Amino acid sequence: AQSVSQHNHHVILSEAASLELGCNYSYGGTVNLFWYVQYPGQHLQLLLKYFSGDPLVKGIKGFEAEFIKSKFSFNLRKPSVQWSDTAEYFCAVNTYNQGGKLIFGQGTELSVKP
Amino acid sequence: EAQVTQNPRYLITVTGKKLTVTCSQNMNHEYMSWYRQDPGLGLRQIYYSMNVEVTDKGDVPEGYKVSRKEKRNFPLILESPSPNQTSLYFCASSLRGQGTTDTQYFGPGTRLTVL
Repeated sequence: AQSVSQHNHHVILSEAASLELGCNYSYGGTVNLFWYVQYPGQHLQLLLKYFSGDPLVKGIKGFEAEFIKSKFSFNLRKPSVQWSDTAEYFCAVNTYNQGGKLIFGQGTELSVKP
Repeated sequence: EAQVTQNPRYLITVTGKKLTVTCSQNMNHEYMSWYRQDPGLGLRQIYYSMNVEVTDKGDVPEGYKVSRKEKRNFPLILESPSPNQTSLYFCASSLRGQGTTDTQYFGPGTRLTVL
C-alpha cells in the first residue's frame, strides 16, 4: 500500500533559521504531491503542490519544495523562518491507481522561537 | 466567500448516542471527503463522494455513515459512537475527484469527544 513518511515529528527553530522538512512516499507510478499547513486552531491550507514540470515548486509565504523522483522525496524548504510559521505541516500524495486517494503523512510540528 | 463549513465545531457526547456532523461547500465542487486527524497518524480518509449519490469507503470507514443527496452537503453520521471515535474531523472538497491535481479545501474541523 502507498504510504507517506515525514521524518521529523517536532522541529524547533529560532527565527531566521533555515527550514527543511523531509517527506518520502512509497509508490512507483505517477503521483501528485502536496504540502499543507495547519496553523494553531485553524484548518488545513495548501502551501504548494507539484504534478509535473519543474521539480522545484514555489508556494505561498516563501516556501518551496523539490521533487526528487529517484529518491521518492518532496522536501519542504524555507530560507528564513518567522515566528508566524509555527504550525503543523503535512505532506500528502495522490496517485492514479486505487482511485487516486489522497494520503497524508504523520505531520511535522514546527515551533519557531522569537 | 468560497468555503467549507462544518457544524458543530465542538461536540462532547456519550457512547451510543447517534450524532451527525454537517459539512457544506459553496464552490460547486463535485468531490467531497471526510478525514479524521489523530496525533502521530496524520489525516486518514473515512469516506469520500465523487458526486451526488456516489459515495465510497476510505481507509477507516468502520462506525461511520455518509450521504450525498445534494451537491453542496456531505454529512457524517455516527450511528453509535464509541470512545475510539474521539478525534478531530475535517471535511474537504475539490472541484473534481481523486487522482487529479485539484486542491482540496478543508473545513475548520470538528473536535468530537465520546465519553
